[in-house]
Amino acid sequence: NAGVTQTPKFQVLKTGQSMTLQCAQDMNHEYMSWYRQDPGMGLRLIHYSVGAGITDQGEVPNGYNVSRSTTEDFPLRLLSAAPSQTSVYFCASSTHGDWGYTFGSGTRLTVV
Amino acid sequence: GIQVEQSPPDLILQEGANSTLRCNFSDSVNNLQWFHQNPWGQLINLFYIPSGTKQNGRLSATTVATERYSLLYISSSQTTDSGVYFCAVEDNQGGKLIFGQGTELSVKP
Repeated sequence: NAGVTQTPKFQVLKTGQSMTLQCAQDMNHEYMSWYRQDPGMGLRLIHYSVGAGITDQGEVPNGYNVSRSTTEDFPLRLLSAAPSQTSVYFCASSTHGDWGYTFGSGTRLTVV
Repeated sequence: GIQVEQSPPDLILQEGANSTLRCNFSDSVNNLQWFHQNPWGQLINLFYIPSGTKQNGRLSATTVATERYSLLYISSSQTTDSGVYFCAVEDNQGGKLIFGQGTELSVKP
C-alpha cells in the first residue's frame, strides 16, 4: 500500500513548455485534489475530483487542466508554463471515513 | 466559500513549554484536520477531528463544531515539533480541503 504517489519530485521548465504532474493512489479513494503552496503561504486548491469522470475547479485553476479517467490517477497538466506557476504542488486523496485526506510528498516546480 | 483563520501566525517557545494553536472556520464542515509540515516540506496528518477531543502522545486536539473552532495543544514541546501547523476543513459538498494560513512554530533548545 503506497498511499499517494507523486512524480516527479523536482522539475525545471522553461517558460512556454508543457508538462504533466502525475498523481496516483492505491487506496480506492473517490476524492482526489491538487493544491499549490507558495512561500510563506497555506495550500490553495487548484482542481478536484469526486469520482472518475468528474472534475471541478478550485480557487486557482487558471493555467492548469485535469482529467480523471480512472479512480487511481489524477494528472495535472500545465499547458504553457509561466514563472508564476513556480511552486510546490501537492496531490491528496480521501474517502468517507475517520482518517481524512492523505497527501503525497509533493512536486517542486521551477519555471524559468 | 468557507474561510479558515489560524492564530497566532508565529510562535516561539522554549523546549518544554506548552502551547495552544487556534483554528476558526466560518461555516459548518464535514471534516477538520490538523497537519504538521516538517522542515522537509512533508505534510504529516496529526488529527482528523470534525468534533470532540482526541489525544496522541503530547498532542491533543479539540473541535467545537457548534462554535466553529478547533484547538491544537502541544505539551512539553521539543525541537522536533518545529515547523508549520495547518488546519484544513472540508465543506459539506466534500471532495477538497480549504486550508488556513498556518502557524509557524519554532522550539528553541
